[in-house]
Amino acid sequence: DGGITQSPKYLFRKEGQNVTLSCEQNLNHDAMYWYRQDPGQGLRLIYYSQIVNDFQKGDIAEGYSVSREKKESFPLTVTSAQKNPTAFYLCASSMAGQRTDTQYFGPGTRLTVL
Amino acid sequence: SQKIEQNSEALNIQEGKTATLTCNYTNYSPAYLQWYRQDPGRGPVFLLLIRENEKEKRKERLKVTFDTTLKQSLFHITASQPADSATYLCALDEGVYAGNNRKLIWGLGTSLAVNP
Repeated sequence: DGGITQSPKYLFRKEGQNVTLSCEQNLNHDAMYWYRQDPGQGLRLIYYSQIVNDFQKGDIAEGYSVSREKKESFPLTVTSAQKNPTAFYLCASSMAGQRTDTQYFGPGTRLTVL
Repeated sequence: SQKIEQNSEALNIQEGKTATLTCNYTNYSPAYLQWYRQDPGRGPVFLLLIRENEKEKRKERLKVTFDTTLKQSLFHITASQPADSATYLCALDEGVYAGNNRKLIWGLGTSLAVNP
C-alpha cells in the first residue's frame, strides 16, 4: 500500500524536552510538508521541503526544526523553544514541488506537553 | 485583509438530502480550489480540485462549483449518508499574484452531520 505514515500516534512530552515526530512516504513524492492544527484554527504550515537536502520555513517555524536527508523521510523536531507545542501535527506530501499541489496527508501525531 | 471563510456552524441534515457547504474568499485570485474531508483525529483526505476556468466538477455524489465573480465555491453531497459525516475543508491556491511563494490557504472547515 502506498501512503504516508506518521509515528507515534500519541506523544507525551515533559516541558523542556525536545521530541521528534516521524513522517515517511512511499508515494515517490518530491515535496513534503509539516502542518500544525489547533482547535478553531486552520492548518498552519510549519516547514516544507521540495527536494532532498533542502527545506524552507513556513508560517510558524519558530521552535521547530526539520531535516530531509532522504526523499521518503521528513522528521520534525519540536524543541523546548516552542512555547505552546500541544497540538495535532500533520505531515503531507505532494507529487511535484508546488506548494499549491494536491496534498496527501498522514494520520497525524497528537502531541501533549505535560 | 486576505481571508477564506467556511460556514462556522455545524450543518445537520437528514439522510438522503443534499448537503451544501460554502467556501468564500476575499482578496485572492486563486488558480484553483480544493476540497478535503477530515474525520476526527485523522488527516485530511483530498476529494476534488476545481480550476478557475471550470464552473463545475463532479465525482460520484460530489459536486463542486466555483464562481470567481462571487469569490465562492459550493460543495454539494447528494443523497447524503451518515458515513458522509465529517469536517470538510476548502483550500485555495493564493494565485499568481502571490509570486513564487504562493501557497495553499486553508479554511477552518465545516462540520457536517448526516442523521439517519
